[in-house]
Amino acid sequence: EAGVTQSPTHLIKTRGQQVTLRCSPISGHTSVYWYQQALGLGLQFLLWYDEGEERNRGNFPPRFSGRQFPNYSSELNVNALELEDSALYLCASSLRGGGQYFGAGTRLSVL
Amino acid sequence: AQSVSQHNHHVILSEAASLELGCNYSYGGTVNLFWYVQYPGQHLQLLLKYFSGDPLVKGIKGFEAEFIKSKFSFNLRKPSVQWSDTAEYFCAVKTNQAGTALIFGKGTTLSVSS
Repeated sequence: EAGVTQSPTHLIKTRGQQVTLRCSPISGHTSVYWYQQALGLGLQFLLWYDEGEERNRGNFPPRFSGRQFPNYSSELNVNALELEDSALYLCASSLRGGGQYFGAGTRLSVL
Repeated sequence: AQSVSQHNHHVILSEAASLELGCNYSYGGTVNLFWYVQYPGQHLQLLLKYFSGDPLVKGIKGFEAEFIKSKFSFNLRKPSVQWSDTAEYFCAVKTNQAGTALIFGKGTTLSVSS
């Protein structure tokens, strides 16, 4: 069974640009979560989608947004990139209320 | 605000030594508790989880954790570590108040020498 897959694995962008990250959950999982793992800040919750709806979001500005598609895959969009957005972005999926399983992440570098 | 504290930033052990990594959380209500492991160059993997029932939880690779509600703790243990246990370990908590988001501790790096 395939795990959570994320693309791309690495991205380099410049300040002010926009980026889209993608995530495919484990088959049968309806919930998708996005986390940011920045150096020195640990893992911080960004967004939670379930059944196509945004259910909760962490303490991040509105330029972090996303969506979930009918096949439960998800996109994370970050607009107006700032240097401090450089981080590993992790996607996790779960059955509603179950344990979360993580993908390998997308490493974003903002120059 | 809810938080998770992992007491040790870096633990260094020799093979066959016993391991205990501390984890405390700040939330008075019902919690689900998790330990994740991140081996060098690999992604986060779920080590074990506690939802309800027996507070002593057994996970993969010989790890176990004990939920002590009165101490708000969920410490990770292994009787005898191996070199292959070298990794970063994260404790995480899910509370009703935070929806189903996980609140992570900052992680503990375990280095095991052979």
